[in-house]
Amino acid sequence: GIQVEQSPPDLILQEGANSTLRCNFSDSVNNLQWFHQNPWGQLINLFYIPSGTKQNGRLSATTVATERYSLLYISSSQTTDSGVYFCAGPWRNNRLAFGKGNQVVVIP
Amino acid sequence: DAGVIQSPRHEVTEMGQEVTLRCKPISGHDYLFWYRQTMMRGLELLIYFNNNVPIDDSGMPEDRFSAKMPNASFSTLKIQPSEPRDSAVYFCASSPPGQGTATQYFGPGTRLTVL
Repeated sequence: GIQVEQSPPDLILQEGANSTLRCNFSDSVNNLQWFHQNPWGQLINLFYIPSGTKQNGRLSATTVATERYSLLYISSSQTTDSGVYFCAGPWRNNRLAFGKGNQVVVIP
Repeated sequence: DAGVIQSPRHEVTEMGQEVTLRCKPISGHDYLFWYRQTMMRGLELLIYFNNNVPIDDSGMPEDRFSAKMPNASFSTLKIQPSEPRDSAVYFCASSPPGQGTATQYFGPGTRLTVL
């Protein structure tokens, strides 16, 4: 199946700092998504981004499908950004393959 | 909208007991997914339904696991008999018509502990 690698696995940020999370896929994808799992376990869909760039507030994402990677940018980080960020891409049928996640801790 | 509803939120049971997890998808959504999350294996898709019909159950770990969707507003995931290695957080997610996996809305999860 498709392999999904995320980096860095762990990240500690000072509040207000910017950061970039990366997701690499072993095969081409046409349905890439980013999720945020907050410290209470809730999973929220952030972006559906098969290609190009999208922005939502302080978060933005860019997918370069031809090179099999996607980036998630967090600008002016806040403590509420803490949690685990997952990227996921389609496998066969409608199955999603998830990466192991980027654990982000934002300290005040 | 209330979002995806799962019950119970926490379940502690003893090995060998039957466990039933419940999910109510968002009204109008026609896809429903069951996931399991563990530290070792991360997020895994167990099974998904489209219009109440199971489409892909290849992620179901073994015969002890079964899932049903008797109608558009309710699904169950049953483990019988349960084992300690089934301890995990089980998520249900749903997505609107025509979206497939494109936009999934996750429930709060059920944390299962099998002693």
